[in-house]
Formats: sequence, C-alpha cells, structure tokens
Amino acid sequence: GAVVSQHPSRVICKSGTSVKIECRSLDFQATTMFWYRQFPKQSLMLMATSNEGSKATYEQGVEKDKFLINHASLTLSTLTVTSAHPEDSSFYICSARSRDEQFFGPGTRLTVL
Amino acid sequence: GQQLNQSPQSMFIQEGEDVSMNCTSSSIFNTWLWYKQEPGEGPVLLIALYKAGELTSNGRLTAQFGITRKDSFLNISASIPSDVGIYFCAGPHFGNEKLTFGTGTRLTIIP
Repeated sequence: GAVVSQHPSRVICKSGTSVKIECRSLDFQATTMFWYRQFPKQSLMLMATSNEGSKATYEQGVEKDKFLINHASLTLSTLTVTSAHPEDSSFYICSARSRDEQFFGPGTRLTVL
Repeated sequence: GQQLNQSPQSMFIQEGEDVSMNCTSSSIFNTWLWYKQEPGEGPVLLIALYKAGELTSNGRLTAQFGITRKDSFLNISASIPSDVGIYFCAGPHFGNEKLTFGTGTRLTIIP
C-alpha cells in the first residue's frame, strides 16, 4: 500500500524560531499533498493544499506567511512554521493522494516553549 | 461551510460488545469515508462508501451510506482491545479532493 512518512515525529522549539516539517510519499508520486492541524481532543482541520510546482492554496484563516509550504518534488512537501509561538503547538499531519485515496502520514507533534 | 457531526462523542464499552456510531451532515456528500486514528498517529482509512444506500463491510466493521446522502453509520461487532481509538467520518468537498473531517467518536474499551 501507499506509505507516507513525516519527519520529525516530534519537535520542541523555543518561541520565535522556525520549524520545518517534511512529508514524503515513499512509494508513489503525489502532485497534491494536504496539511492538517489537530489540536488536543479535536478533529483534523485542513490548513492548506500543497501543489507540486505551484503555490499552495490556504484555507480561510490560515496565514500563508506564517505557514510556508513548498512542494519541491512529486514525493516531498515541506511545511515551515515561521516564528513559532506556543499557540502553534499542535499535531501536524500531512496526506498525499494516490489514485482515489488520501494516505496520511504519522503526524508531527510540535511543542513551542 | 460543510460540517460533519458525529455521535456519540465518546463511548466506554466492554470487550465483546457491539459498537454503533453515526455521522450527520448539513449538506449532501457523494462519498463517505470512515477513518480510525490511534494516539500519536495519522488516520487510517477503514471503509469508503460511494453510493447512497450502500452497505459495506470490512471484517468486523460495517458502514452504510444514508439514502439522503447526509448521514452514515459505522458498526463494530464483537469489539476487541485493539479497536480503541478515535473514529472519524470524512467527506470530500464538491468538485475537489479536500476532505472535511467529522468531530470524532472516541472509543474506550473497559477491561
């Protein structure tokens, strides 16, 4: 089956620093990947759609300058949380589409001190 | 926007019991998806439903796509400890691949 990986699995950073999260499709190519955020005991909320070779499209209320997305190849999308603050602490999950199904990564737990 | 409400919010059951949860929408969906998420992991697809009225099984799991296309249910028979997790329904937005996730049902199995 299609496998999606994320790196790192967890990261702790100081307030004001930037953090990069990688999402890779391991055995398939994905022109479209998605980034979600999940706060404790809540559902997954779509943040943005990452398109290979073009700009990401962001959901309403998500700051594109704060959450930078780069889909540099057909197997890699990165999400950079710039100038992170404690309220950005969350579980970030990516997904990649293969045929008619979205496959989800294992998530990245971000803690901002 | 589209909202998916799940009930119950949480369930505490004993091993061996059957489980039933449902998902309702304020608008019509053409596809219903049921996912399971375990702690610290991403969601994994359990069942996909593509046609109104469709009833689909995957082992001990059974899901149905409501006739009105605004609801779906998921049943788990003879629950076992590894069924513990959060179950989400989800559906794609019209005309694109973006998914809206439901509010989730947290399943806990009492020993």
